[in-house]
Amino acid sequence: AQSVTQLDSHVSVSEGTPVLLRCNYSSSYSPSLFWYVQHPNKGLQLLLKYTSAATLVKGINGFEAEFKKSETSFHLTKPSAHMSDAAEYFCVVTPSGTYKYIFGTGTRLKVLA
Amino acid sequence: GAVVSQHPSWVICKSGTSVKIECRSLDFQATTMFWYRQFPKQSLMLMATSNEGSKATYEQGVEKDKFLINHASLTLSTLTVTSAHPEDSSFYICSAAGGGNYNEQFFGPGTRLTVL
Repeated sequence: AQSVTQLDSHVSVSEGTPVLLRCNYSSSYSPSLFWYVQHPNKGLQLLLKYTSAATLVKGINGFEAEFKKSETSFHLTKPSAHMSDAAEYFCVVTPSGTYKYIFGTGTRLKVLA
Repeated sequence: GAVVSQHPSWVICKSGTSVKIECRSLDFQATTMFWYRQFPKQSLMLMATSNEGSKATYEQGVEKDKFLINHASLTLSTLTVTSAHPEDSSFYICSAAGGGNYNEQFFGPGTRLTVL
């Protein structure tokens, strides 16, 4: 069975410092993995996706993630946090050949001035 | 990129009335659409999956007669909350997939439903 675990429900960082949001997955087959961001009362915006191409994926707004099969991880990073990065972040896995998403429980990122 | 719209963005209704939410894929043909519900500070909960021209597949615990889903065309799906009650108040988000976009769903901006 497929599953996603976001290891931190809340993360606080100071503006200008690095961001690390952790995600581990379980999937029987070659999965696709996504990171989405959600601002309050808004829909989901795609940050980046992994679909079995390069393992280091670069996304929008300076975010990137590395697919590590041996660790079954897909952690999201950003070198320098900005106040506008404060939001909820969701890691998603979808098994190969299906559109169905399996969501993580989300990580709320707080950026301190 | 693919764009999905939802209408209305927010709605307030009285208990016992029905509310319809529309989800449209604006620039691609969506063979599959999904409806999610999101409670405050929680993740998205899949309610149902609909394929164009066929009946929706509901997740366990979701009442089919309460949440009517229609996917009549490749660009439009509707969710009707029938006989709404305050406990149906929530944030409803749709997504669409298809058009050759491998494995990816495209999300609408969401609809905030408040039932008085």
